[in-house]
Amino acid sequence: KNQVEQSPQSLIILEGKNCTLQCNYTVSPFSNLRWYKQDTGRGPVSLTIMTFSENTKSNGRYTATLDADTKQSSLHITASQLSDSASYICVVIYNDYKLSFGAGTTVTVRA
Amino acid sequence: DTAVSQTPKYLVTQMGNDKSIKCEQNLGHDTMYWYKQDSKKFLKIMFSYNNKELIINETVPNRFSPKSPDKAHLNLHINSLELGDSAVYFCASSQVGTSADTQYFGPGTRLTVL
Repeated sequence: KNQVEQSPQSLIILEGKNCTLQCNYTVSPFSNLRWYKQDTGRGPVSLTIMTFSENTKSNGRYTATLDADTKQSSLHITASQLSDSASYICVVIYNDYKLSFGAGTTVTVRA
Repeated sequence: DTAVSQTPKYLVTQMGNDKSIKCEQNLGHDTMYWYKQDSKKFLKIMFSYNNKELIINETVPNRFSPKSPDKAHLNLHINSLELGDSAVYFCASSQVGTSADTQYFGPGTRLTVL
């Protein structure tokens, strides 16, 4: 069983709408949590990095939340654009340097 | 002005061959990484080098040998390629390699072993 679970596996939304992606993890001790955006055929690009004490962090239309007590994070996309179509990967850093990756959520934004 | 570049972008080869993938970063970063992304899109770290020294070596077969001639380059050499090696391999770099560092990824190399 993967130690970082993401849901949903995929979703389709209309341009301009909002959506929220979920990430639940079991690894510890927690160091930080990252969200990456991966366009098809490209390498992942960092969106946010959150440490234990941070509850919310924004990067433009992307807002990540973290509840370290329940080991849950979410990524909210506001006013989606066609260019938001990509895979969004949750990564948890634990034990200072170990990484555990989620399988990603594929988002498709339709006009 | 690509920050992290990899060559080749695509690599198709026969089982049993030896091949190399090159990676270069022009960001002045101290730490470089190799990741493998399988068909299910899971990314797994393979190696991490800091200033040409091996820091992380996950449970990777010793057919995979990273080589870092200088801190701007981390090449991946694979001996005796197997079907299961087919995947996309990503190189990445970060400033100093701490857990809070942002990692910058290359465009990936799609390796297909026939």
